[in-house]
Amino acid sequence: AQSVTQLGSHVSVSEGALVLLRCNYSSSVPPYLFWYVQYPNQGLQLLLKYTTGATLVKGINGFEAEFKKSETSFHLTKPSAHMSDATEYFCAVSDHDMRFGAGTRLTVKP
Amino acid sequence: NAGVTQTPKFQVLKTGQSMTLQCAQDMNHEYMSWYRQDPGMGLRLIHYSVGAGITDQGEVPNGYNVSRSTTEDFPLRLLSAAPSQTSVYFCASSYSTRGLETQYFGPGTRLLVL
Repeated sequence: AQSVTQLGSHVSVSEGALVLLRCNYSSSVPPYLFWYVQYPNQGLQLLLKYTTGATLVKGINGFEAEFKKSETSFHLTKPSAHMSDATEYFCAVSDHDMRFGAGTRLTVKP
Repeated sequence: NAGVTQTPKFQVLKTGQSMTLQCAQDMNHEYMSWYRQDPGMGLRLIHYSVGAGITDQGEVPNGYNVSRSTTEDFPLRLLSAAPSQTSVYFCASSYSTRGLETQYFGPGTRLLVL
């Protein structure tokens, strides 16, 4: 079965700094890859996804991610962190069904 | 559209009690699923359905039952609650037949089992 590993349960950056949240996956077939964001006391919302085609995908709020098959990675980046980005992020992979990583909590320091 | 709705928002149960978590969607999605979210473990799939009358087990199905009599509704039943079932439960739906595409989540139900 497919699986997802998010490296770092907590990431802290300064406002204006680069955000990098790491995600590695395993899958027996070409997977679909997702990043979801979860705000407090809410369900998950789609941030961006990769299904086929261009390996660099852009999402909402200035986030983007690049699918690297050779590295089995789908890291999430944002050039400049904003205070409103502080929340929890989940990477997910789907081939047979959708599996989620354990999540990364992003803290943004003023 | 209301999207995916869940009731109740919060519930406290005693060990051994039963209850049903309700989930409904108005997007005409065939695929619906239930996840539980626990700290440090992300979301784990409990049960899913690819259409009315069809359900299947996910990663952590023990202690939970589901049924799908209509496209809109997908209730989750706890027959005999245990403290290990204390969690936040999310229902989701997808336009993808097998749920491999984007999933739309409800706001969640927080369950505490004493």
